[in-house]
Amino acid sequence: QSALTQPASVSGSPGQSITISCTGTSSDVGGYNYVSWYQQHPGKAPKLMIYDVSKRPSGVSNRFSGSKSGNTASLTISGLQAEDEADYYCCSYAGSDTWVLFGGGTKLTVL
Amino acid sequence: QLQLQESGPGLVKPSETLSLTCTVSGGSISSSTYYWGWIRQPPGEGLDWIASIYYSGNTYYNPSLKSRVTISVDTSKNHFSLKLSSVTAADTAVYYCARLPTMATIYIWGQGTLVTVSS
Repeated sequence: QSALTQPASVSGSPGQSITISCTGTSSDVGGYNYVSWYQQHPGKAPKLMIYDVSKRPSGVSNRFSGSKSGNTASLTISGLQAEDEADYYCCSYAGSDTWVLFGGGTKLTVL
Repeated sequence: QLQLQESGPGLVKPSETLSLTCTVSGGSISSSTYYWGWIRQPPGEGLDWIASIYYSGNTYYNPSLKSRVTISVDTSKNHFSLKLSSVTAADTAVYYCARLPTMATIYIWGQGTLVTVSS
């Protein structure tokens, strides 16, 4: 099973909003409401930012939001801040036999 | 607060078996309905799910690694383990252990440990 498809890079200026897409198939993203998003700064472990498509863990800023339409999930970051510059990965449940898929990752640059 | 710590050799020879342990502190590995899993990240690349084990003992493997991977839990030692056999240079990566409330939600991560496959 191929990884989920994310853009390699996105960029935005402080204060702006950006959206990162994560495209899969009806067997993974489109078939279940189990999509999560992770932020990873260089040399650090990933951090959970969104789970179950649109839920935010305690302590995660409400500037981060998630959604899904068909086979594509999206992560939106509003009011961009310098500390948001990082790599972002999506993850989806993919049913029996495949189980879990990650996206290839998106590098966010805050200009 | 629950914490996870990976341990194991940082260097493994090609064709040998990579063995890692994740020690759980601040909570019991058998006390709640969680999955425990392993994820890896080759240098400069993305994340790759390896395997997960449910608290009941059910195991789940990445189909591309299934023939070489074993995940297990030792409740007496409050840790879980990963074995990856017949390693090659392509298995060189930072290996993370994690606690997962659902299969695709990785809530708590270990700090990661770099394993290099080289002779």
